[in-house]
Amino acid sequence: AQSVAQPEDQVNVAEGNPLTVKCTYSVSGNPYLFWYVQYPNRGLQFLLKYITGDNLVKGSYGFEAEFNKSQTSFHLKKPSALVSDSALYFCAVSLLRGSARQLTFGSGTQLTVLP
Amino acid sequence: DAGVIQSPRHEVTEMGQEVTLRCKPISGHDYLFWYRQTMMRGLELLIYFNNNVPIDDSGMPEDRFSAKMPNASFSTLKIQPSEPRDSAVYFCASSGYRGRRTGELFFGEGSRLTVL
Repeated sequence: AQSVAQPEDQVNVAEGNPLTVKCTYSVSGNPYLFWYVQYPNRGLQFLLKYITGDNLVKGSYGFEAEFNKSQTSFHLKKPSALVSDSALYFCAVSLLRGSARQLTFGSGTQLTVLP
Repeated sequence: DAGVIQSPRHEVTEMGQEVTLRCKPISGHDYLFWYRQTMMRGLELLIYFNNNVPIDDSGMPEDRFSAKMPNASFSTLKIQPSEPRDSAVYFCASSGYRGRRTGELFFGEGSRLTVL
């Protein structure tokens, strides 16, 4: 069965420092991998995705993620964190089931950027 | 585009009452998903539709939950009777042709349900 793990419930980083939010996955076949962000009292917003091609994927708001097949990881990164990046981040993996791709979400990582 | 629209944003009700949550997907999207978010369980897929037809409802917790999609622009999630353990944020999400192939979903703002 496909699954995705976010080993850290909480990540704290100082503003201006680089940030990393970790994600590992377990799937059979080629994974489609996603990062979503959720601000308080809002729905999830798509950040970026890896389907195929370059292992380094760039997304919204200066975020990027690196697909590492050997380590089955898809960590989210940003070179310089902003206080406004503070939010709940979800990693997700998608596999084709029938006619639709279904997303399985990780448990989420709360990112707090300290001023 | 207005995005996925959900109503109500907040609902407080008493145990035993019927609750109906509503969703309008993005125009042109042919997949619609209902998710539930709680602290304990995270994000759970309840049910999804393709072209208004329910495809997989294996995530629906029990018979008290039902979902319908009478047309391409409207879906409901109903809980009858409601129980305190149903308290959660319920999200609707839709996807179109691109979403179908990659899995990218567009989420509504959610309906926060509190059952007393």
